[in-house]
Amino acid sequence: GNSVTQMEGPVTLSEEAFLTINCTYTATGYPSLFWYVQYPGEGLQLLLKATKADDKGSNKGFEATYRKETTSFHLEKGSVQVSDSAVYFCALSDGMNYGGSQGNLIFGKGTKLSVKP
Amino acid sequence: GAGVSQSPSNKVTEKGKDVELRCDPISGHTALYWYRQRLGQGLEFLIYFQGNSAPDKSGLPSDRFSAERTGESVSTLTIQRTQQEDSAVYLCASSLSRDNEKLFFGSGTQLSVL
Repeated sequence: GNSVTQMEGPVTLSEEAFLTINCTYTATGYPSLFWYVQYPGEGLQLLLKATKADDKGSNKGFEATYRKETTSFHLEKGSVQVSDSAVYFCALSDGMNYGGSQGNLIFGKGTKLSVKP
Repeated sequence: GAGVSQSPSNKVTEKGKDVELRCDPISGHTALYWYRQRLGQGLEFLIYFQGNSAPDKSGLPSDRFSAERTGESVSTLTIQRTQQEDSAVYLCASSLSRDNEKLFFGSGTQLSVL
């Protein structure tokens, strides 16, 4: 079945450091890929998405490129800020499947990021 | 309100008791999801509602779990005869339609079964 594996945290970085959070997936069909973020005390919210191979999703300085050859969607940011401290979730949606679990997103376990000033 | 609202935010109950969790989706969102997040685990899909279609219950872990939604409004998740392994954060999310993959999440209900 479809699944998402992301690097375990917690990840602790100093401000302005480079961030990479790895995410790989297993899926049939042609999934869309997502990164969701959960800031302290808030609900999950969509950070970025990519719907087909080689697409790059970007938002708030974060980027992730849909790599079909390596089944990966790693999250990167060139210079993190204290305000980026949050839990990051990689997720996929099998865009070909509209029966049964249509609309169901499959999430990874989440990676907690702490950025120190 | 503007976002997905869940209540209560925290619930402590004794093993064997029934609990009811509530979710108010964003107005106009036809799709509603329930997820469960156990400590240190990823989000686990429970159930999905889309408009007036039959819900997708494929993620419910046992027949102690049930959920209802009236039209495109409030949903309640009921857990009967709670067990300690039910302790988790229960998250509700909504989206404009089933084809819209951008989910808006509530802050969740932290359920603790003693």
